[in-house]
Amino acid sequence: QVQLQESGPGLVKPSQTLSLTCTVSGGSISSATYYWSWIRQPAGKGLEWIGRIHTSGSTNYNPSLKSRVTISVDTSKNQFSLNLSSVTATDTAVYYCARSRSYSGSYVFEYWGQGTLVTVSS
Amino acid sequence: QSVLTQPPSVSGAPGQRVTISCTGSSSNIGAGSDVHWYQQLPGTAPKLLIYVNTNRPSGVPDRFSGSKSGTSASLAISGLQAEDEADYYCQSYDSSLSSWVFGGGTKLTVL
Repeated sequence: QVQLQESGPGLVKPSQTLSLTCTVSGGSISSATYYWSWIRQPAGKGLEWIGRIHTSGSTNYNPSLKSRVTISVDTSKNQFSLNLSSVTATDTAVYYCARSRSYSGSYVFEYWGQGTLVTVSS
Repeated sequence: QSVLTQPPSVSGAPGQRVTISCTGSSSNIGAGSDVHWYQQLPGTAPKLLIYVNTNRPSGVPDRFSGSKSGTSASLAISGLQAEDEADYYCQSYDSSLSSWVFGGGTKLTVL
């Protein structure tokens, strides 16, 4: 059973860069079948897809965040990472990493990490 | 304002049946994009409940079922149990936004 675990600072100052890593266990991040995503959820609110990466390095980003987001993969460590620059208080949220795969051309978020709370505050 | 619209809350007594709607548009559900549903128990990560409109992953009880028609989809839960109390989210792909999108979520209360 694949497991995902987010890690990174829980507090980031405004205007700085939020950096998180997701470690995958129980499966290889190098599998061509899957995409690896970041999704966030502000307290008491809904889910927002941030972006995804494939083992090939191919990425897709939410257009509303694209100018500030970079997602990268490190296959040697079975990890992928999120960098979100120029953060403000509105970026405060629980950040989830997730694995997705295609079913008949439709991508489904099959497995999720437990989530990590990131607060943006001085 | 979410791209996919869900009712903020629904409720039902144990044993009853409830449905949760997810209304989209011609750029997502109406364009043929499939709908998936997730259950988020309090304080936990979302869990895949229904995929590609009607399919249940292994381990999900058959009390949960999904459907899709036109620009909308629905999640039905029959034989309500106290453990079903959670937030439920629909998800699809929006071709105009070039992004995967979620509904705003529906809180299910078991009375």
